Amino acid sequence: GAVVSQHPSWVICKSGTSVKIECRSLDFQATTMFWYRQFPKQSLMLMATSNEGSKATYEQGVEKDKFLINHASLTLSTLTVTSAHPEDSSFYICSARDSPDYEQYFGPGTRLTVT
Amino acid sequence: GQNIDQPTEMTATEGAIVQINCTYQTSGFNGLFWYQQHAGEAPTFLSYNVLDGLEEKGRFSSFLSRSKGYSYLLLKELQMKDSASYLCAVTDSNYQLIWGAGTKLIIKP
Repeated sequence: GAVVSQHPSWVICKSGTSVKIECRSLDFQATTMFWYRQFPKQSLMLMATSNEGSKATYEQGVEKDKFLINHASLTLSTLTVTSAHPEDSSFYICSARDSPDYEQYFGPGTRLTVT
Repeated sequence: GQNIDQPTEMTATEGAIVQINCTYQTSGFNGLFWYQQHAGEAPTFLSYNVLDGLEEKGRFSSFLSRSKGYSYLLLKELQMKDSASYLCAVTDSNYQLIWGAGTKLIIKP
């Protein structure tokens, strides 16, 4: 099956710094990639949808200047959390699909802790 | 608005059968997914229904009724490793995936 990787799997950073998370589709071309955030014991929350070569579409309440998303190729999307704060600590999960009417393939997630 | 409803938590016994229901109201419909998510891990795909009826895959089956806006996930011969959250998600007319809050399934020996 299709594989999506994320890097890093976990990261600890200091408040005020920026963190970049990479999401790669390893064996298919991801026309669309999604970024989710999940707080403990809560469901997935979609942050943004990105199509290759175009600007990401952010969900209501998600600051696009704080969560920078780049989808420069059909196999790579990056999420940069700028000026991170402790409340940004969460589990960030990316997913990708190559067709609009089929499943999203999920990466393993990145656990971010901001101290 | 768009809405997916599923029970917050369910408990079942090892070896038994459990049915997790999901009802939805969305702008259009292009398919319904069930995902399994273990604590601290990303979701994994279980099933996809776009036509009415039952799809069986090993111990797991998923049913869809589009006229009723209803689906269920049936898990048979429950094992302790089935303890997880089960997420129902619907693709709407814009191919946006609308997520339910998930059902936490607790399996007891």
